[in-house]
Amino acid sequence: DAKTTQPTSMDCAEGRAANLPCNHSTISGNEYVYWYRQIHSQGPQYIIHGLKNNETNEMASLIITEDRKSSTLILPHATLRDTAVYYCIVFHTNAGKSTFGDGTTLTVKP
Amino acid sequence: EAGVAQSPRYKIIEKRQSVAFWCNPISGHATLYWYQQILGQGPKLLIQFQNNGVVDDSQLPKDRFSAERLKGVDSTLKIQPAKLEDSAVYLCASSLVGTGYWNEQFFGPGTRLTVL
Repeated sequence: DAKTTQPTSMDCAEGRAANLPCNHSTISGNEYVYWYRQIHSQGPQYIIHGLKNNETNEMASLIITEDRKSSTLILPHATLRDTAVYYCIVFHTNAGKSTFGDGTTLTVKP
Repeated sequence: EAGVAQSPRYKIIEKRQSVAFWCNPISGHATLYWYQQILGQGPKLLIQFQNNGVVDDSQLPKDRFSAERLKGVDSTLKIQPAKLEDSAVYLCASSLVGTGYWNEQFFGPGTRLTVL
């Protein structure tokens, strides 16, 4: 499975967009990019995933570069409840290990 | 839909004692995962089951950890004997697996183990 690199921590003002980057330069053609988040004292929660195209759901948007070597998770209007650790993971659907890195700690400030 | 259930939520034991954790996945989910999450780190996969068969246990310390998933539904993870470095949160997750399904994992609340 491809490895990912994320910044250790980021801050964001409440109501502003939070843009969380992830590098996955060794990703292969059949590997998806998944994002999960973990709020304090809870299990990780799925946010969004994508292969090549940008994706959007009710929680977030995922922007994947054309060469697929990096991606950005966008929380359009961050709230205090979005304070969490965000994990970027790449692996092949229905195969491969779930390799979580140490993630990015996002702190949303009033 | 009921989520992934785990028990107990907290456990404190002395080193060299044994401990067991229980997980009941979401109904119909064929794949079950056990993760270990040490404070400040991301979850590390210990073992992955598909139905009642082991898919991956390469990171399970087999000299002290064991896991089973009888009848392909709920699962137990055991540590015997426990060491101080086993202090962590043990997370269980489940997912639908099969052709055409993508691998969203649903996590339980975890069991926080403290080894003294």
